[in-house]
Amino acid sequence: QKEVEQNSGPLSVPEGAIASLNCTYSDRGSQSFFWYRQYSGKSPELIMFIYSNGDKEDGRFTAQLNKASQYVSLLIRDSQPSDSATYLCAVNDGYKLSFGAGTTVTVRA
Amino acid sequence: DAGVIQSPRHEVTEMGQEVTLRCKPISGHNSLFWYRQTMMRGLELLIYFNNNVPIDDSGMPEDRFSAKMPNASFSTLKIQPSEPRDSAVYFCASRPPDQPQHFGDGTRLSIL
Repeated sequence: QKEVEQNSGPLSVPEGAIASLNCTYSDRGSQSFFWYRQYSGKSPELIMFIYSNGDKEDGRFTAQLNKASQYVSLLIRDSQPSDSATYLCAVNDGYKLSFGAGTTVTVRA
Repeated sequence: DAGVIQSPRHEVTEMGQEVTLRCKPISGHNSLFWYRQTMMRGLELLIYFNNNVPIDDSGMPEDRFSAKMPNASFSTLKIQPSEPRDSAVYFCASRPPDQPQHFGDGTRLSIL
């Protein structure tokens, strides 16, 4: 299984700030990248996916991909208390996904 | 649209008992995955089915674990005999071709 590393966290940000989550991966051939959000006691929920280098924006979320650096990130703008969760980075490994350990984000009101 | 449906949501049983977890994938999804999640090991892939056929079971911990997918709308994960170290949350996920996976709500399993 290919390695996926995430910044260890936990990450605490004030409400309204930007939360920045980072992920690196070992397989240079990976083509698809995903961010899942997991609330405590709940299942992972897909929030973003990105296939091409550059930025992809969806509401308050922006995913950034740099395949040369083997780096993918997630920015959460105007963070809300409802964004408090664990964020899992996942990288396509053939037909399956390799998941990072997750970064727990807490948004302080 | 109905998502991935798992049952039971919670299971508490004694060591040595047989445990059967069930999953109904989203209609039209031809790939199904079983995962196990623990604090120590994170999210681990146990087995992957494509078009009802097991493709990769390298993540199945040992012979006590088995999985079946008799048709496109149903899969089971069985543990026999169960052990306390099997306590975890077990997720089923499905996806259509070339699309992201969607997870069920999971089964929280406790083996006493």
